Amino acid sequence: GAVVSQHPSRVICKSGTSVKIECRSLDFQATTMFWYRQFPKKSLMLMATSNEGSKATYEQGVEKDKFLINHASLTLSTLTVTSAHPEDSSFYICSAHARDRYNEQFFGPGTRLTVL
Amino acid sequence: QKEVEQDPGPLSVPEGAIVSLNCTYSNSAFQYFMWYRQYSRKGPELLMYTYSSGNKEDGRFTAQVDKSSKYISLFIRDSQPSDSATYLCAMIPGYSSASKIIFGSGTRLSIRP
Repeated sequence: GAVVSQHPSRVICKSGTSVKIECRSLDFQATTMFWYRQFPKKSLMLMATSNEGSKATYEQGVEKDKFLINHASLTLSTLTVTSAHPEDSSFYICSAHARDRYNEQFFGPGTRLTVL
Repeated sequence: QKEVEQDPGPLSVPEGAIVSLNCTYSNSAFQYFMWYRQYSRKGPELLMYTYSSGNKEDGRFTAQVDKSSKYISLFIRDSQPSDSATYLCAMIPGYSSASKIIFGSGTRLSIRP
């Protein structure tokens, strides 16, 4: 299968700062990338879908001005949590899909964000 | 009512036992059914997927879908301590894997040596 990486794997920041998380498809081109959020002992909830070169589509209840998503290339998507607050502390996971190559979404290892 | 219901467990069984994990769903539009395994602090890993009702087997794992009852199952035979993880059922409306995945809440499984 294909490999998706995320960086950083863990980040601790102060309240009010912004944090950028990168998601990369290492050996395939991802036409679509997804960003999920997972609270402790809870399921993954989709935050937004991004297609390369176009604006992300956000799920209901997700603030697009707070969670900025950029999918500038076929191998990289970034999620920026702006003015982070303690309630933004969570596990953020991306997935990537290549329609013409694999019939599944490949998930990254996740990024644990802790906002103090 | 949640679109996908899954018993969170925890479920603890002895090594070698057969494990049965289940989910129910309410949306008839779901056509693509998956099971993921997630170890602590890691991303989910796809175990099996299927489009249709019936059984699909892969090694020690069998996935079962009953669309008429809106019920899916994952069976693990000869369970091993390394199978200890959280298992998530997941579904997609339609047939494209490039779509939004709806996850169950996950069942925490522990295999006792």
